[in-house]
Amino acid sequence: EAGVAQSPRYKIIEKRQSVAFWCNPISGHATLYWYQQILGQGPKLLIQFQNNGVVDDSQLPKDRFSAERLKGVDSTLKIQPAKLEDSAVYLCASSLGYAGIPFFGPGTRLTVL
Amino acid sequence: GIQVEQSPPDLILQEGANSTLRCNFSDSVNNLQWFHQNPWGQLINLFYIPSGTKQNGRLSATTVATERYSLLYISSSQTTDSGVYFCAASNSNSGYALNFGKGTSLLVTP
Repeated sequence: EAGVAQSPRYKIIEKRQSVAFWCNPISGHATLYWYQQILGQGPKLLIQFQNNGVVDDSQLPKDRFSAERLKGVDSTLKIQPAKLEDSAVYLCASSLGYAGIPFFGPGTRLTVL
Repeated sequence: GIQVEQSPPDLILQEGANSTLRCNFSDSVNNLQWFHQNPWGQLINLFYIPSGTKQNGRLSATTVATERYSLLYISSSQTTDSGVYFCAASNSNSGYALNFGKGTSLLVTP
């Protein structure tokens, strides 16, 4: 069974530029999560989808971050414009159900200069 | 949301030693999980344990929900156990979103 796929694995941009990350969850997983992990900290949930609907985006900085999940499968997370403090690893995860065990992708390491 | 505190923040062990990692949480939970993040950043679920005790090989976990803590035991540690161990918890008040602690960074030396 294929795991959660993410791309790109690494991205370096300058502040005020825009960037997009892509995630392909495990087939059949209805729930998809985007987490932000800053160095030395635990992952912080940015947004949770159930199929293609948003369940929780309370910690998503909506003035610069946006996310969508097309047709309840793949998802993209966008940052526009990026700030220095957005430097982090962005983790995508998926699970069968709403409160299930999440399976994490390898993450995208973003560096904002 | 639920506050999750982990201790110790850092731990260095010699191969073969045993260790106990602790997770305290601020509210009742219906979802408590332990994860291991390897040195390459991959995060893997170890246990789903909102209450009770589970064992998987050299690892075991116990959650005492009434006292709001969980313990992860690592026995006969190996160098491959190195990495960061996270505890994460949620309940219906938090919309079931897992809140992660800051983790315990474990280094097992040969």
